[in-house]
Amino acid sequence: DAGITQSPRYKITETGRQVTLMCHQTWSHSYMFWYRQDLGHGLRLIYYSAAADITDKGEVPDGYVVSRSKTENFPLTLESATRSQTSVYFCASCEGQPAVDEKLFFGSGTQLSVL
Amino acid sequence: QKEVEQNSGPLSVPEGAIASLNCTYSDRGSQSFFWYRQYSGKSPELIMFIYSNGDKEDGRFTAQLNKASQYVSLLIRDSQPSDSATYLCAVPSYTGGFKTIFGAGTRLFVKA
Repeated sequence: DAGITQSPRYKITETGRQVTLMCHQTWSHSYMFWYRQDLGHGLRLIYYSAAADITDKGEVPDGYVVSRSKTENFPLTLESATRSQTSVYFCASCEGQPAVDEKLFFGSGTQLSVL
Repeated sequence: QKEVEQNSGPLSVPEGAIASLNCTYSDRGSQSFFWYRQYSGKSPELIMFIYSNGDKEDGRFTAQLNKASQYVSLLIRDSQPSDSATYLCAVPSYTGGFKTIFGAGTRLFVKA
């Protein structure tokens, strides 16, 4: 199906483990983003990417790694999970044309619990 | 100062009333402004966007923008219980590359 999909939908892991959250979009949008959402903080930007092989840090990048070898995929890796990384993670994509097309399309989210 | 600020609420209004949601932003160079709605346990979805000063209406929703005051608002007329959700104000930024900054969101409850 066309759109933006995230996997897994739910994940439970232990502190210190490596976890990878997957994000795939079928629109060939240039821009992709990873946000985390916690109570009282809204959506905070972790990393973003303007195109394949171009990534940049957002507001809260510590403890996360991203890659974008193909336009359609933007995986997010927690190298050594900590309890503070328990959150809901949203992937989003956008064509990113100024004043023309800046609306974000979101995946369904991944609820991650780090025990 | 946060780049995009919203009153977290909750805002409670009776069915049929007007709900008014407010947002301020810090970057005077911002040109476009978005409102997303997020139901509990779901992902955000776009409601409206506005680029020009003044009002923009779409059905029961009106977005208002005042760039001089760095203020954007969303009015929901004839509020319905189905409007109960968190409303997120979002501002695209081009500093250091294109990205969208979100406010913390305002929780709205519409009482039947």
